[in-house]
Amino acid sequence: DAKTTQPNSMESNEEEPVHLPCNHSTISGTDYIHWYRQLPSQGPEYVIHGLTSNVNNRMASLAIAEDRKSSTLILHRATLRDAAVYYCILRYSGAGSYQLTFGKGTKLSVIP
Amino acid sequence: DGGITQSPKYLFRKEGQNVTLSCEQNLNHDAMYWYRQDPGQGLRLIYYSQIVNDFQKGDIAEGYSVSREKKESFPLTVTSAQKNPTAFYLCASSTGLAGFYEQYFGPGTRLTVT
Repeated sequence: DAKTTQPNSMESNEEEPVHLPCNHSTISGTDYIHWYRQLPSQGPEYVIHGLTSNVNNRMASLAIAEDRKSSTLILHRATLRDAAVYYCILRYSGAGSYQLTFGKGTKLSVIP
Repeated sequence: DGGITQSPKYLFRKEGQNVTLSCEQNLNHDAMYWYRQDPGQGLRLIYYSQIVNDFQKGDIAEGYSVSREKKESFPLTVTSAQKNPTAFYLCASSTGLAGFYEQYFGPGTRLTVT
């Protein structure tokens, strides 16, 4: 899987929007962009994924750059429950892409 | 509610003993996975299974064994041959193996071997 680069940490005030960036300059045309998050001592939680177009779901939005070399996870109103480590992961869509390769991720702190 | 259950949440064992970690899913997913996470580290794949009665080694399979006799269940045995078994073990499942499927994780089992 191609590599991603994320900031080590970010802070946000509660109830404000949060934009978590991810750079993936070596992404290939068949790589999906996945986001997961992990709270302390819990299993990772799927957040959202996309290929080319922006995506929305009940948890977040994913904005993908036109050249696909970067993407941004948007949490529309941060809550204390959103404090977690967020991982941006590229996954090849074809056969053999069976595991998730987690990097360091971005640790998001939410300030009350 | 659909989801993945892992039991127990905490497990303590003496060195030299085999131990089996349970993983059950009711999401009707074909694919299941076992990962290991060490403090401050990412996940490493131990075993995965695409379908019942079939499973493949991941990156760190030595000292572990699995079975997949039912679609819902994918137990992991940590054998005495595993040199550093103390870790956080995570089970996951997905509709299939392809990269456009999301994986759903259980709450994890924290194993401590002394």
